[in-house]
Amino acid sequence: QSVLTQPPSASGTPGQRVAISCSGSSSNIGSNSVNWYQQLPGTAPKLLIYSNNHRPSGVPDRFSGSKSGTSASLAISGLQSEDEADYYCAGWDDSLNGVIFGGGTKLTVL
Amino acid sequence: QVQLVESGGGVVQPGRSLRLSCAASGFTFSFYAMHWVRQVPGKGLEWVAFISSDGSRKSYADSVKGRFTISRDNSKHTLYLQMNSLRGDDTTIYYCARDLGVPGTPLDLWGLGTLVTVSS
Repeated sequence: QSVLTQPPSASGTPGQRVAISCSGSSSNIGSNSVNWYQQLPGTAPKLLIYSNNHRPSGVPDRFSGSKSGTSASLAISGLQSEDEADYYCAGWDDSLNGVIFGGGTKLTVL
Repeated sequence: QVQLVESGGGVVQPGRSLRLSCAASGFTFSFYAMHWVRQVPGKGLEWVAFISSDGSRKSYADSVKGRFTISRDNSKHTLYLQMNSLRGDDTTIYYCARDLGVPGTPLDLWGLGTLVTVSS
């Protein structure tokens, strides 16, 4: 069972906006930044959002992140078929003294 | 080309040891902290270990503490993971990843991974 809780699945149709939640605690999200990773089938994870709401170079502005208290959210607007992937939230946990990942959310584009 | 390339995976018997390597290229390896992350194919990501840019600070997941050792050779631009007393549940894909170096420990560069199978 992951320290960070994500819904196992999400879905949307092309053009829609979807949001994926990530719930943690005071020792992780509550006191540290949240990052999001996208993992396309058969590939390594890719950093999608860092420090709660920053996009690395090359990531479309359709992807956005937010954080409030001990929860965070990844939003994808203008959903496209190529967005179909697994999405993971992650961050540092002060109690565990390590990086923790959410269980992952499989996004399906209908 | 900025990249990380893991090697050293394979099939190993329970209780034996294996050393993974991660060769970095295209960036100044010694500037960055590094991590190992693993993933059972089709399952979620699990962080394994962290090492600071100069190798002075290390941290491990409870699941590998006392069995795995992370190290680095900045002169060879290479990260290592020494895995001892391997168990069946260590069977996963192992990724090395670069720490972006900002608060929150984002991992901004990943290798393609190397598969370790622990089986008799």
